[in-house]
Amino acid sequence: EPEVTQTPSHQVTQMGQEVILRCVPISNHLYFYWYRQILGQKVEFLVSFYNNEISEKSEIFDDQFSVERPDGSNFTLKIRSTKLEDSAMYFCASSLPGNRNQPQHFGDGTRLSIL
Amino acid sequence: GENVEQHPSTLSVQEGDSAVIKCTYSDSASNYFPWYKQELGKGPQLIIDIRSNVGEKKDQRIAVTLNKTAKHFSLHITETQPEDSAVYFCAAIGGSGGGADGLTFGKGTHLIIQP
Repeated sequence: EPEVTQTPSHQVTQMGQEVILRCVPISNHLYFYWYRQILGQKVEFLVSFYNNEISEKSEIFDDQFSVERPDGSNFTLKIRSTKLEDSAMYFCASSLPGNRNQPQHFGDGTRLSIL
Repeated sequence: GENVEQHPSTLSVQEGDSAVIKCTYSDSASNYFPWYKQELGKGPQLIIDIRSNVGEKKDQRIAVTLNKTAKHFSLHITETQPEDSAVYFCAAIGGSGGGADGLTFGKGTHLIIQP
C-alpha cells in the first residue's frame, strides 16, 4: 500500500538555526499538508498546498515557516530561526484531489528537537 | 473556526468488550469527519470516516455515527482486541468543505484493552 514518507525521523537543531523537513507524498495525490503535534497535545494543522501554492494556513504558520515543492516528488517545510517552542512532531499528509474533502494519509513524522 | 472536543481522554475496557469514544464539533458547516488511530512512534492512521450526508458507517468491528443536529459523532469498537490499544483522534473539516482544507483534531483518547 502506498504511503507518505518523511525524513529525517529525528532532527536535533540549535535554537536560531534553520531546519528543513522533507516529505514524499503518495504519488497520485495532489493536496499536501503539514501538521504538528507538541508532546502530549493534539495534532494541529499548519498549512495545505495545491498546484504550487498555499491553499490554507493556520495562525501557527507565521513568517518563520515556508513550504515548497522543489521537484515532482518532494514537499518540504522550512522553519527559519527555530525557537524552543518549535520542538514537536511534524507530520506530512497528502490526499487525492476532489471537489469535496478526501481522506488525508499521514506519514510517521519527524521529531524536531530544538536545543 | 472549528473546535472539536473529545471524550474520554482515557478509556480502559476488558478484552472482548465494546469501546465508545465521543466527539462534538462547533461548525455546523463541517461535512467530513475522519477517525485516526495513532500507535507509539507512528503517524495517525485513518481507520474510518463519515460524511455529513450519512448517519452511520460500519467497517467490520468499527462503526461511526453522526448526529448533525446535535453536532456530535462517535466511534464504536466492538469485540475489542489487544491490538486495538492506541490513541484515537477524531477530526472535522469546517468551512467550505472542498479542496485542501485542514483537519481540526480532538485531543485524543488513550484506549487501553485489558487482557
